[in-house]
Amino acid sequence: QVQLVESGGYVVQPGRSLRLSCAASGFTFSSYGMHWVRQAPGKGLEWVAVISYDGSNKDYVDSVKGRFTISRDNSKNTLYLQMNSLRAEDTAVYYCGKDYAMFSFVQNWGQGTLVTVSS
Amino acid sequence: DIQMTQSPSSLSASVGDRVTITCRASQDISNSLAWYQKKPGKAPKLLLYAASILESGVPSRFSGSGSGTDYTLTISSLQPEDFATYYCQRYYTTPLTFGQGTTVEIK
Repeated sequence: QVQLVESGGYVVQPGRSLRLSCAASGFTFSSYGMHWVRQAPGKGLEWVAVISYDGSNKDYVDSVKGRFTISRDNSKNTLYLQMNSLRAEDTAVYYCGKDYAMFSFVQNWGQGTLVTVSS
Repeated sequence: DIQMTQSPSSLSASVGDRVTITCRASQDISNSLAWYQKKPGKAPKLLLYAASILESGVPSRFSGSGSGTDYTLTISSLQPEDFATYYCQRYYTTPLTFGQGTTVEIK
């Protein structure tokens, strides 16, 4: 069955960087797009970024454009989110998710990893 | 960007009740709508996609309908495990926006 395991969440100071990872198994990783979605404390779900199956297409929510980079290593079945210039408002649980088809909805979700941005 | 507005933001219901949640898009999204269930401390769970297609393994008491800009999630007979927050999400064009969520609480 599909399994997605996020890691890399940490407490970091504003302005610092962090890289999240999502290890995938149970499906052909290189055939599916992947998403990052976050949920700030007490808030709703917010889509963050998406990457196509081969990494050639990416897109981001406006609030992270220029600061976050989504990438993938299909040889390692791993998705990444490089987060730079972190702000307090980036504090959230970050979920990775398997795309159903071509930048659509998240069919399978990881358990999430908590990122806290605080001085 | 297309905005998604859910209503109500919360509701109280009893086991066995029929519950309806509405999601309105700021423009026609041509049935490109998914519904998720979210419980505290757990990952979201896909319930329906393409507005009305039930995801495999999801109980048939969940159903979806709608077209154009207006969509509905219905739980025909609320069960104890259904108390959660529900989100709609439009897709196929970015940004992939979620509704603000509807929390279903025990009455």
